[in-house]
Amino acid sequence: DAGVTQSPTHLIKTRGQQVTLRCSPKSGHDTVSWYQQALGQGPQFIFQYYEEEERQRGNFPDRFSGHQFPNYSSELNVNALLLGDSALYLCASSLRGRSLQETQYFGPGTRLLVL
Amino acid sequence: AQKITQTQPGMFVQEKEAVTLDCTYDTSDPSYGLFWYKQPSSGEMIFLIYQGSYDQQNATEGRYSLNFQKARKSANLVISASQLGDSAMYFCAMREGGNTDKLIFGTGTRLQVFP
Repeated sequence: DAGVTQSPTHLIKTRGQQVTLRCSPKSGHDTVSWYQQALGQGPQFIFQYYEEEERQRGNFPDRFSGHQFPNYSSELNVNALLLGDSALYLCASSLRGRSLQETQYFGPGTRLLVL
Repeated sequence: AQKITQTQPGMFVQEKEAVTLDCTYDTSDPSYGLFWYKQPSSGEMIFLIYQGSYDQQNATEGRYSLNFQKARKSANLVISASQLGDSAMYFCAMREGGNTDKLIFGTGTRLQVFP
């Protein structure tokens, strides 16, 4: 049973550039959430995708956008990169449901460094 | 506003001993779920244990148990019989009821297990 996968594992960009991160959810899951984890901090919720639409969004600017494909995989795009965007970007997948117990399973993350 | 507080930046424990990692939370929603995740240096967040706000008993999963004190709004993680492989960052997270799937994370506690 394949878990959540993310690519690339590491990425180095310069200020002003654009980046695309990719995520494939755990088998059987239909919902993908993205989190940003700055060094020494807990993950911060960016947004969540379900049925190919953004369903919920955290306190992140419009430079952060995403997409979900029919096979449930997802992309996170960040435009006009800033130094402060350097972080570990985590993707989590889950099965859409109203149960509070519905667990989000995380991928290994993509480490983004903006120079 | 919902918030998770982890006041222990770092903890040390000797192998085979038990350790408690503290977590307090703040929410006005009577329906919520509490999660603990382990994050090794590789970056992946590994789900450990879940406690629902209406659960009558404390959750247990193998060597992990949750000391849930609802009136005090605390959900401390207890790891019994610590192993060297338990050395990692540990994050407490909350999901509120209603139409939201996002997890709110604390800042984490770094646990180091020594021989």
